[in-house]
Amino acid sequence: QSMLTQPPSLSGTPGQTVSISCSGSRSNIGGNYVCWYQQLPGAAPELLIYRDRLRPSGVPDRFSGSKSDTSASLAISGLRSEDEADYFCAAWDDSLNALLLGGGTKVTVL
Amino acid sequence: QVHLLQSEPEAKRPGASVKVSCKASDNIFRNYGISWVRQAPGQGLEWMGWVIGHNGNTHYTQKFQHRVTMTTDTSTTTVYMELRSLVYDDTAIYYCARVGRTRTTMARDGMDVWGQGTTVTVSS
Repeated sequence: QSMLTQPPSLSGTPGQTVSISCSGSRSNIGGNYVCWYQQLPGAAPELLIYRDRLRPSGVPDRFSGSKSDTSASLAISGLRSEDEADYFCAAWDDSLNALLLGGGTKVTVL
Repeated sequence: QVHLLQSEPEAKRPGASVKVSCKASDNIFRNYGISWVRQAPGQGLEWMGWVIGHNGNTHYTQKFQHRVTMTTDTSTTTVYMELRSLVYDDTAIYYCARVGRTRTTMARDGMDVWGQGTTVTVSS
């Protein structure tokens, strides 16, 4: 069972902004960087955000990451149909000495 | 250019072992680590551990450490993940992904290049 908690699903209409939360603890998010991954249907995951808020080259600036204390968020602004995917947060956990991944959030564009 | 190329799907019986390969580019093999992540049908992602390409050092999660082995072959720049004593719940897509070569850089910079995934099906 994941120790990074995400909402199972979110939905929005084109152009809206949606925000995905990722709740953890001091041993993971509270003391380590957070990454976010996007997984399109039938595809391998892709890195979307690293070091809490940085975007790899090629990732649109519609995607933004933030972190506060033991929680992190991924915001998608100007929602588009191609953003319909599963999104996962990840952070190292010092107590478990392992990389944790959130349960994932399915974003649906209505 | 394909940076990480994984082996073909596998079908195994319960109790058997499976060995999945991940052919890395020369640059990735020599300068990075490789993480293994699996995804059961309709489920989320689960990190299994990682291996450093150039020296073969490994780190496994507690859940898998008694039945997983990650190895490297420098002559072919290939990384392997062997999972033993398979059970039905091991049915999943197994991914390899590029990571930094230290725990710090891996946690900081994430998994930025992924293989295409290898489906492992465990059934009787």
